[in-house]
Amino acid sequence: ETGVTQSPTHLIKTRGQQVTLRCSSQSGHNTVSWYQQALGQGPQFIFQYYREEENGRGNFPPRFSGLQFPNYSSELNVNALELDDSALYLCASSAELSTDTQYFGPGTRLTVL
Amino acid sequence: GENVEQHPSTLSVQEGDSAVIKCTYSDSASNYFPWYKQELGKRPQLIIDIRSNVGEKKDQRIAVTLNKTAKHFSLHITETQPEDSAVYFCAAPPYSSASKIIFGSGTRLSIRP
Repeated sequence: ETGVTQSPTHLIKTRGQQVTLRCSSQSGHNTVSWYQQALGQGPQFIFQYYREEENGRGNFPPRFSGLQFPNYSSELNVNALELDDSALYLCASSAELSTDTQYFGPGTRLTVL
Repeated sequence: GENVEQHPSTLSVQEGDSAVIKCTYSDSASNYFPWYKQELGKRPQLIIDIRSNVGEKKDQRIAVTLNKTAKHFSLHITETQPEDSAVYFCAAPPYSSASKIIFGSGTRLSIRP
């Protein structure tokens, strides 16, 4: 298993609510990427944080936002939740930018009713 | 645009036989190609990766080959075992936006006893 952890494991919200998901990166890693994985699909890149700055973003609306803290842990915030936001949210950490190996956390299963 | 295509979407092989999964990518400057295995309800786990300065890499029963001219790479699993049953994802970061790893749509591999 990797040293990447995520919380919570599962979450149920209703449309319009806001949610915060958390990720602790593996020791020695300063880069965290977030992905959304819908059922039966591959992970879709949301954004990446490197040393507390956003370093690249996928095709997700601004209501998806994030933070990275000095200890390199990270948060994903989603505002105005929609039914289609129901998915597994994965974070992955890597030692440096981009093409270093990314190690995934166990994910947070978000259900929006 | 940036794209990673993966096929087949499902693959069923007899235990002990070989399995091959293929991916093509669109950005000719991409230089890192990981493969992930995801078991039901679990995180994607890196099983092997290859960088563009080599054409093949092996790790026990698993190998990856890369053809940069044709822009495709393949995963080969030999002597398949029941525990190889899972969904496999290829991935590639476009060089123009190397923080953004694009995943293929996945191959569901089933090993028949």
